[in-house]
Amino acid sequence: EDQVTQSPEALRLQEGESSSLNCSYTVSGLRGLFWYRQDPGKGPEFLFTLYSAGEEKEKERLKATLTKKESFLHITAPKPEDSATYLCAVQGGSEKLVFGKGTKLTVNP
Amino acid sequence: DTGVSQNPRHKITKRGQNVTFRCDPISEHNRLYWYRQTLGQGPEFLTYFQNEAQLEKSRLLSDRFSAERPKGSFSTLEIQRTEQGDSAMYLCASSFRALGGYEQYFGPGTRLTVT
Repeated sequence: EDQVTQSPEALRLQEGESSSLNCSYTVSGLRGLFWYRQDPGKGPEFLFTLYSAGEEKEKERLKATLTKKESFLHITAPKPEDSATYLCAVQGGSEKLVFGKGTKLTVNP
Repeated sequence: DTGVSQNPRHKITKRGQNVTFRCDPISEHNRLYWYRQTLGQGPEFLTYFQNEAQLEKSRLLSDRFSAERPKGSFSTLEIQRTEQGDSAMYLCASSFRALGGYEQYFGPGTRLTVT
């Protein structure tokens, strides 16, 4: 059964303090690993898709990387507006996404 | 706005009542998904349509749940004889299988509260 574990559950940073979020996964035949951002009371917002180990993608202050067992979401010089829950999901042998519980990020000014 | 839309955004119902939610996917997206999310958890897959065909259902989808996508466009999710455990955010997503693109785009969700 496909599984995703995210750590830490919650992370507090000061504005400008860079850090990384971890997503460990087990999946049969990875077709894609996805990162989403979710604000309270809203649906997940798509950020990145990674398909194979060694792949990296960047968007503004965010950079996602992928190995055969885990993915990292690096946040460089975060701002308060980056505060949200970040969700990681994998897609294996079927169409469904299997999500982790997320990391709640708070960036203090 | 050309994103996924869901209605209603909020629904409060009494235990035992039936409820129906609607999802309108992004135009021309042929795949449509339903997920359920409870507080502190990630979304959990319920079911998936390719055009009008329902191709996959989760074991979470009990006999009280039914989903349709009659013309391959919008979809409805019905819950019969609601229970307090059905209280959750119901999320709809859509995707279009392009060159390597499996991304699913989510709507704002329908929050169901069963009293």
